[in-house]
Amino acid sequence: QSVLTQPPSASGTPGQRVTLSCSGSSSNIGSHVVNWYQHVPGTAPRLLIYNNSQRPSGVPDRFSGSKSGSSASLAISGLQSEDEADYYCVAWDASLVSGVFGGGTKLTVL
Amino acid sequence: QVQLVQSGSELKKPGASVMISCATSGYRFTSHSLNWVRQAPGQGLEWMGYINTITGNPTYAQGFTGRFVLSLDTSVNTAYLQITDLEAADTAMYYCARDLQQLVFDHWGQGTLITVSS
Repeated sequence: QSVLTQPPSASGTPGQRVTLSCSGSSSNIGSHVVNWYQHVPGTAPRLLIYNNSQRPSGVPDRFSGSKSGSSASLAISGLQSEDEADYYCVAWDASLVSGVFGGGTKLTVL
Repeated sequence: QVQLVQSGSELKKPGASVMISCATSGYRFTSHSLNWVRQAPGQGLEWMGYINTITGNPTYAQGFTGRFVLSLDTSVNTAYLQITDLEAADTAMYYCARDLQQLVFDHWGQGTLITVSS
């Protein structure tokens, strides 16, 4: 059971906008920044969003992040087939004194 | 360019030890801490801890103390993860990752698969 809760699956059609959620508590998301990673099985994870909403260079602006209270979201607009991957949120947890990943959301592009 | 190259997959018996290396290049080694992330089969990513490349001081996540040891060899810009007294539950892909700041990993190794089986 992950400290950060993500829906196990999500789906969308090409061109659609999807939003992936990440729910935590005051000891993690509520008091620390959230980062998001994209992971295609068999490859190394890729940093998508850091500090809640910042995009590293090279990440398309189709990807955006936000945070409100103890929850965070990753939005993907103009969904493309190559977006099919697992998406993970991560934040520091002050109670556990540890980084904690969400359980991940498997995104399927129909 | 920045590269993190990990050692190859290993098959180990329960009770054995394994050491995974993460050789870095393309940047100043001491400018970034190195983190380790585990992914067990069918499971999600799990942060194991990190090592400060200036001081060599490791920090371990809960659940990764005791049998897990992080170390460095600054002369070859390489970090290591040693796991002792291996258990079947240690079967996983292990990644090293460079951080820009806490939990912001901009470059990753390719992963090392450790299989523990009798």
